[in-house]
Order: sequence, then structure tokens, then C-alpha cells
Amino acid sequence: SQQGEEDPQALSIQEGENATMNCSYKTSINNLQWYRQNSGRGLVHLILIRSNEREKHSGRLRVTLDTSKKSSSLLITASRAADTASYFCATDGGGGSYIPTFGRGTSLIVHP
Amino acid sequence: NAGVTQTPKFQVLKTGQSMTLQCAQDMNHEYMSWYRQDPGMGLRLIHYSVGAGITDQGEVPNGYNVSRSTTEDFPLRLLSAAPSQTSVYFCASLWPGGYGYTFGSGTRLTVV
Repeated sequence: SQQGEEDPQALSIQEGENATMNCSYKTSINNLQWYRQNSGRGLVHLILIRSNEREKHSGRLRVTLDTSKKSSSLLITASRAADTASYFCATDGGGGSYIPTFGRGTSLIVHP
Repeated sequence: NAGVTQTPKFQVLKTGQSMTLQCAQDMNHEYMSWYRQDPGMGLRLIHYSVGAGITDQGEVPNGYNVSRSTTEDFPLRLLSAAPSQTSVYFCASLWPGGYGYTFGSGTRLTVV
């Protein structure tokens, strides 16, 4: 079964708006990662946040992590049409388990 | 370019046929994994390996075999293809410390 679950399943916004996606997970983790998948392509690693971190930034991406609620959010600011893709969170099993498991993803469409 | 190479990109099989999906990485990573991606299901872990000679089952291992004779190669074998194995298959190589995956470009498999 999936460890992480993204919400919403689909998101449609206009270029320039911010996009927020959420991820909830079930067990303790070492770290949480976000990936992007363009249609017909493999997944590309975006950002990792460790379990002892609360917020991380990378360019227009902002990730937060709340381990007490077992949830994370990915914010893409000033979205562009090129951000249209599916976004997945991935969590490991905590402890010595490093193999990530993935949620079902959020499909983001950014209209020009 | 360093990365993960998957072959073939597309394959059509008849029910009952067997085949091997190839995966090779040139980053000297210990951890490698195979996932399948189905619409609405996200990525599900089939098998993984933590080093040459060591493999283990993931969430959906039935009908698949793996071996890891070298660090570079991690082939996935379909023993007797079934229509339920129609999917997109991704191989991934995990960075040391579990900080992220590099994914291959995928194999789109159709079983008729």
C-alpha cells in the first residue's frame, strides 16, 4: 500500500498563480522527497526534506514538513505553463529503510 | 551522461511469453529498484536490490524475477506475461544515504 498520499488529485490554475500540493503519510520517516513527472517521461527529483527540517526552499519551490501531523506541502510560486506535470511525494520507512514509496500523485495543469 | 538506461522503450508481448527488461546505471549506486506505474495507482515497488547479489521483494512482486550479478545491472524478468502486467515500468537508482532517485525513462509494456 502507498505510504504517502497526495492531495488534491488534480489542480488547474492560471500562469502566475501559486500551486500548493499536500502529502500525508503513515509511519515515521528519515526524509520526504518530491518528484515531478512530465507526460510520458520518468520522474525527476525536485527536493528532499529531512525529518528534522521544517521548511526548505529551492528556486520557486517551497516544501514544508510537519512530522507531528505526518504531512508535507509543496508550493510552486508564480507557476508557468512548463510546470504542467504530475507531482509525487515519496517517503522511506524510517530507521534503516531507505527505499522510497510513492503516492498516487497530483496532476497540475497550468494554463497560459 | 551519468544516469539510468532502460531498454526497450516499448514492447508488446503475447500472453504467456517471457521477457527481460534491462536496466543499467553508471553511478556506482548500491540501491536499485523496479516500479510499475498504472493510471490512478502511482508507482508501486516490484523488487529492489541493496547491492550485488542481494535482492528483495516490494509491494507487487508476483510474476516478476530479478537478479543483481553486478552493481551496474538490474534486469527484471517477466516469467509468463499476463494482461494484468500491462504497465509502464521504471528502473531507479538510489543516491547514497537515500537522498533521491535517478529514474530511467521507462518501458511501456503491453500484454495482449
